[in-house]
Amino acid sequence: LAKTTQPISMDSYEGQEVNITCSHNNIATNDYITWYQQFPSQGPRFIIQGYKTKVTNEVASLFIPADRKSSTLSLPRVSLSDTAVYYCLVGGTTSGTYKYIFGTGTRLKVLA
Amino acid sequence: NAGVTQTPKFRILKIGQSMTLQCAQDMNHNYMYWYRQDPGMGLKLIYYSVGAGITDKGEVPNGYNVSRSTTEDFPLRLELAAPSQTSVYFCASSSSGGGNSPLHFGNGTRLTVT
Repeated sequence: LAKTTQPISMDSYEGQEVNITCSHNNIATNDYITWYQQFPSQGPRFIIQGYKTKVTNEVASLFIPADRKSSTLSLPRVSLSDTAVYYCLVGGTTSGTYKYIFGTGTRLKVLA
Repeated sequence: NAGVTQTPKFRILKIGQSMTLQCAQDMNHNYMYWYRQDPGMGLKLIYYSVGAGITDKGEVPNGYNVSRSTTEDFPLRLELAAPSQTSVYFCASSSSGGGNSPLHFGNGTRLTVT
């Protein structure tokens, strides 16, 4: 199972772009990379998912280099409401297992 | 669609009591998961299921039991509750285990064991 490593916490100011990098050195061929956002007292919420290169949606971009050993979540022009914990999750059908193990997450604090 | 529904939202148990946390999804998802989250910490996988009648252990299964008799329901049973089981419990589901299907989470059950 691919283990993920993220920074424990980050601070940013409103209007800035925030990049959170996740390391997953032993990612398997079939694994996808998914990012979730969690606010206090709520379940995690899907943000974006990718397999390789770059993926963009209305809230974020996900950059994945060719070796896929890391990925970077990019949040453009953050606001106070983006203060949350962000989790990188790597998983797939490798070895027939379907466990999705969350890492420690990155606690993002957006300052005014 | 209601998505993933968890009941109850809150519960206080005395040490040694038992209870069942309910989880139901209406998305016809085969894959379902139970996580616990201690205060200020990340999510730990307790049990998961890849379909009705099939369950398997996650990272922290001790003290818990699950069953999956239908596609929709995945209850989590706590036997002999202990203070260490004080936590927020989240249920999740996904349409496939291929990694390209996002997890859909419920709003959690906050459990206190005293």
